[in-house]
Amino acid sequence: GAVVSQHPSRVICKSGTSVKIECRSLDFQATTMFWYRQFPKKSLMLMATSNEGSKATYEQGVEKDKFLINHASLTLSTLTVTSAHPEDSSFYICSARDSFYEQYFGPGTRLTVT
Amino acid sequence: DAKTTQPPSMDCAEGRAANLPCNHSTISGNEYVYWYRQIHSQGPQYIIHGLKNNETNEMASLIITEDRKSSTLILPHATLRDTAVYYCIVRVVYSGNTPLVFGKGTRLSVIA
Repeated sequence: GAVVSQHPSRVICKSGTSVKIECRSLDFQATTMFWYRQFPKKSLMLMATSNEGSKATYEQGVEKDKFLINHASLTLSTLTVTSAHPEDSSFYICSARDSFYEQYFGPGTRLTVT
Repeated sequence: DAKTTQPPSMDCAEGRAANLPCNHSTISGNEYVYWYRQIHSQGPQYIIHGLKNNETNEMASLIITEDRKSSTLILPHATLRDTAVYYCIVRVVYSGNTPLVFGKGTRLSVIA
């Protein structure tokens, strides 16, 4: 089956610093990737849709200048949390869509901002 | 807004069948029913999907009512490793950039 990886799996950073999370589709090309965020005991919330070679589309309430998304190739999308604060601590999950419009999920990245 | 309704939690004895219901009374003719599960601190895992016929794979069975307004996911012999949050999602396939939208799901606890 299709595999999506994320790196790092967990990261701790200090308030005010930036953190980059990578999402890779390992055995298929993904023109579209999605980024979700999940707070404890809550469901996944879509943050943005990332299309290869173009600007990401952000959901209402998600700050595009704070959550920078780059989808520079058909197998890689990155999410950079800029000037992170404790309230950005969360579980970030990416998902890649294959040519049959099926979505596959990465294992998630747990971000803790101290 | 979520298009599905699921019970917030369920318990199941280990080795017994787990039957997880989902209501999707507003489902459209071109929408499929998908089931995913999320084990604690992991990404969602695909389980099964169907349009109108019952489906079975190595993980589970999906029973869709004739009017397609509800469905049931069946885990035939639940194990402790099946403890997870199960999400029922309706979506149109071949729909461009439309992402999967998650509701609150059902938290299944498999008890020894």
